[in-house]
Order: sequence, then structure tokens, then C-alpha cells
Amino acid sequence: AQSVTQLGSHVSVSEGALVLLRCNYSSSVPPYLFWYVQYPNQGLQLLLKYTTGATLVKGINGFEAEFKKSETSFHLTKPSAHMSDAAEYFCAVIVDNYGQNFVFGPGTRLSVLP
Amino acid sequence: DGGITQSPKYLFRKEGQNVTLSCEQNLNHDAMYWYRQDPGQGLRLIYYSQIVNDFQKGDIAEGYSVSREKKESFPLTVTSAQKNPTAFYLCASSIMTGLSNQPQHFGDGTRLSIL
Repeated sequence: AQSVTQLGSHVSVSEGALVLLRCNYSSSVPPYLFWYVQYPNQGLQLLLKYTTGATLVKGINGFEAEFKKSETSFHLTKPSAHMSDAAEYFCAVIVDNYGQNFVFGPGTRLSVLP
Repeated sequence: DGGITQSPKYLFRKEGQNVTLSCEQNLNHDAMYWYRQDPGQGLRLIYYSQIVNDFQKGDIAEGYSVSREKKESFPLTVTSAQKNPTAFYLCASSIMTGLSNQPQHFGDGTRLSIL
């Protein structure tokens, strides 16, 4: 069965520091991977997606993620954290041939300290 | 602007009562989904529909029912059989194509609580 793990349910960084949120997946080839962000009492907003092609994917709000097949990873990074980045982040993988059923990771809550 | 509208934003249920959560989309998406989110947990799939008048159970369908009479609408009913309905409910939709790489788009959610 396909699955997604996110190491660290809660990550704290200082404002201006590097953000690194980890995601590992188990998936048949090819994997389709996504990162979403959720602010309190809101729905999920797509940050970026990997389908095929370039392994370094750039998203909104200065975030990017690198697909590493050998490590089955899709970690999310941002060079410099901003207070507004404080939110819950979810990694997801598509699990069926129709591409319609996602499996979401458990989420990582990012806190940004002043 | 196109998007997904969920209503109401907050909902309260009495014991033994059925309640219906609304989800409407004007994105012309074929597929629609309902998820449940509990504090500190990820999303769990309740039901999904890929076409009008057809839907499939997800991982936690017991105590819930849905209908898909129109492409743009996918209401979720939380029945009295659902003994622990307090949660945040999210509706999503996506394009159906031959490519398995389309993201899901989400509404802003409905928070359901027990009185």
C-alpha cells in the first residue's frame, strides 16, 4: 500500500532561518507528489507538485521541494522563514491509476519564532 | 472567481440528529471528495465521486452518506449512526483526465460540534 510519512509532527524555526520539512513516500513508479499548506480553520492550499520532469520544484511563497527517487523523499524547504509561514503542512501522494485518490501524510506544524 | 464553497462554516448537532454539510464548486471539476480532519491528524477520506449519480466509500464511510445529483454539488450527511462526529470536514474537487497528476482543490471547511 502506498503511504506518506512526515518526520516531526512539530517543527520550530527562528524567523529568517532555513525551513526543512521532511516527507518520505512509498509508491509505485511514477509517484505524483504534492505539498499543501493549511492555516488555522481553513482548507488546504496547494504549495507545489511533482509529476514528471525537473526534480526541483518551485512553489508559491518561496517554497521548493526536491524529488529524490533513490531516497524516496520529497522534502520541502524555504531559505528564510517568515512569521506568516506558521501553519500546518501536508505531503500527499496519488495512489491509484486514475490519479484521483490521494494519501495524505499526518502533517507537520511549523512554528516560526521571532 | 472559481472555487469551492462549503457551508455552514460552523455547525452544531444534537444527539440523534442528522445534519447535512453543503459543498458546491464552480470549477467544472468532475471529481469531488469529502475528508474528515481531527486535531493533530491528517485527512481521512469519507466518500468520493467521479461522476454524477455515482460515488464510492472511502476509508471511514460508516455513519455518513452522500449524494451527487449535480456535477457542482456533493452534500455530506452526518447521520445519528456516527457516534463521534466532532471534527473539521473538508470538501475537495479535481479534474478527471487521463493523466494521474492533477491536484485536489479544497474548500474552507465546516467545523461540526456536538451540543
